[in-house]
Amino acid sequence: NAGVTQTPKFQVLKTGQSMTLQCAQDMNHEYMSWYRQDPGMGLRLIHYSVGAGITDQGEVPNGYNVSRSTTEDFPLRLLSAAPSQTSVYFCASSRWTGYNEKLFFGSGTQLSVL
Amino acid sequence: AQSVTQLDSQVPVFEEAPVELRCNYSSSVSVYLFWYVQYPNQGLQLLLKYLSGSTLVKGINGFEAEFNKSQTSFHLRKPSVHISDTAEYFCAVSRETSGSRLTFGEGTQLTVNP
Repeated sequence: NAGVTQTPKFQVLKTGQSMTLQCAQDMNHEYMSWYRQDPGMGLRLIHYSVGAGITDQGEVPNGYNVSRSTTEDFPLRLLSAAPSQTSVYFCASSRWTGYNEKLFFGSGTQLSVL
Repeated sequence: AQSVTQLDSQVPVFEEAPVELRCNYSSSVSVYLFWYVQYPNQGLQLLLKYLSGSTLVKGINGFEAEFNKSQTSFHLRKPSVHISDTAEYFCAVSRETSGSRLTFGEGTQLTVNP
């Protein structure tokens, strides 16, 4: 069982470039989310989805877009990268039952924007 | 909105010593509480969670936490740590109605020295 798979593991961008961080899960989880992790700030929720076709903003959504066309995939798009988006990005998924289910995390994408 | 404060950013201890990692939360509604662990270069893994019932929660790897509603705390403890417990630990909270949408604390780096 692969769990939550994130690609790429590392990425360097120049300011203004665009890219997509990929996230896929094979557990048939309804809920998927993106967090960014910055030193001294913990993890902050960027966007989340409770099912295909349904997305919503988290705590820090500016500069990021998401879509959810399938249950398995939840890509995160940076349309015009900025140095403030240098961070480690984690994708996480869980069942969506109305209770607080365990989150399964990917291994992260380390992004540097120069 | 809810928030989480981890009172120590770094906790160094010697092997086989006891450890307590402190977490306070604030919320105007009932919350669920979690501890996640992040080993180097990995995603987060659930250690334990408190949803309801007994205020003493036991998790994996010998960790336990106690929910104290009057002090709005959820401290993590282990009576005897190992080198392999060296990791970053995150306290997290969610509201009863927010499903898997967690708010994380800033993290506590636990370093176990021989």
